[in-house]
Amino acid sequence: GQQVMQIPQYQHVQEGEDFTTYCNSSTTLSNIQWYKQRPGGHPVFLIQLVKSGEVKKQKRLTFQFGEAKKNSSLHITATQTTDVGTYFCAGSGNTGKLIFGQGTTLQVKP
Amino acid sequence: DAGITQSPRHKVTETGTPVTLRCHQTENHRYMYWYRQDPGHGLRLIHYSYGVKDTDKGEVSDGYSVSRSKTEDFLLTLESATSSQTSVYFCAIGSDGNQPQHFGDGTRLSIL
Repeated sequence: GQQVMQIPQYQHVQEGEDFTTYCNSSTTLSNIQWYKQRPGGHPVFLIQLVKSGEVKKQKRLTFQFGEAKKNSSLHITATQTTDVGTYFCAGSGNTGKLIFGQGTTLQVKP
Repeated sequence: DAGITQSPRHKVTETGTPVTLRCHQTENHRYMYWYRQDPGHGLRLIHYSYGVKDTDKGEVSDGYSVSRSKTEDFLLTLESATSSQTSVYFCAIGSDGNQPQHFGDGTRLSIL
């Protein structure tokens, strides 16, 4: 069945450093979504990408959808302590269901 | 946040007892989902509903059943709880099957 793999599982960075998490699907996706979960909280929707090669930005966050629509990345420029949390990608393929990656947990040292 | 309420927020129970978790929404969304979250596994779909009395299985449905008798409510039942079902359970809602989902605050369930 469809699988969505996310790497790395954990990342520790110094405040001000950049951070990237990668998402790869075994099948072509119709769209990819990104969510953020703060410690002790619930996942919160960040953004959705639909088009091949699409790039979207939200302040210091840059989201990309691959040309083949099988991979995606989230890049954070100059991390801040408020960026701490777990970032999930979720892809929708031919089943019409969202499949979540395992998540990347980001720790930021002040 | 979207109008989603999960109850209870915390529960401790014993192996073999039945447990029902409730998800209530005020957004009139067609789709409702139950996920479990465990370390190293991310969010795994248990069951989902695409309308009143319309439900389907997710990837980890064994040991769980669901019911949706009203648009607003989606119930998750563990008929005979086992320790492997200790987890954090999230309910989510969405307007369509592959559209963004909005999550409730979660239920932390411990089965001893």
